[in-house]
Amino acid sequence: QLQLRESGPGLVKPSETLSLTCTISGGSFTSSSYYWGWIRQPPGKGLEWIGSIYYTGNTYYNPSLKSRLTISVDKSMNQFSLKLSSVTAADTAVYYCARPSPPGSYYYYMDVWGRGTTVTVTS
Amino acid sequence: EIVLTQSPGTLSLSPGERATLSCRASQTVPSSYVAWYQQKPGQAPRLLIYGASIRATGIPDRISGSGSGTDFTLTISRLEPEDFAVYYCQQYESSPPYTFGQGTKLEIK
Repeated sequence: QLQLRESGPGLVKPSETLSLTCTISGGSFTSSSYYWGWIRQPPGKGLEWIGSIYYTGNTYYNPSLKSRLTISVDKSMNQFSLKLSSVTAADTAVYYCARPSPPGSYYYYMDVWGRGTTVTVTS
Repeated sequence: EIVLTQSPGTLSLSPGERATLSCRASQTVPSSYVAWYQQKPGQAPRLLIYGASIRATGIPDRISGSGSGTDFTLTISRLEPEDFAVYYCQQYESSPPYTFGQGTKLEIK
């Protein structure tokens, strides 16, 4: 059964870079046409899609975060990663990795999610 | 950017009752682009419905989705204790892909 697990520091200082990794298990990272994505949820608020990546490295970013965002893949480790630079308190959230439908699909949804990891931006 | 507005913000019902949750889009959205998720405290969202009306794997048939154009509905025909949670609708467009409604909290009356 496909599982996703987020990992990374729970505390980040303002103006620094937030770095998270999602490890995929129970399935092959490269054998399907799926993309892999990041979504976040500020405390007590709704969901915000951050960006998605294909195993080839092709990426789609939320325009509101694009200038600070890098999503990359490590095929050998079955992992993909998120880097968000120049963070502020507004970036405090639970960060989820998930499997969204790729561009060009007929249906669009996210069917597999990690459990999420809390990141707090604080000095 | 298409904005999804969910109503009501909070719905208070008793087990066994019927729940009707609404999701309205600011522009027409293809039905195949609409999904619904359930989120319980401390958990990740769980896919319930995609294509506006297709139940995801393992979702009971008391949960159904409907709608088209700008108005979409999630219905739970007979509420079970495990159904009390927050529900989000989601749509897809070119930029930004994947936006969500603000959520409806379904609470026990």
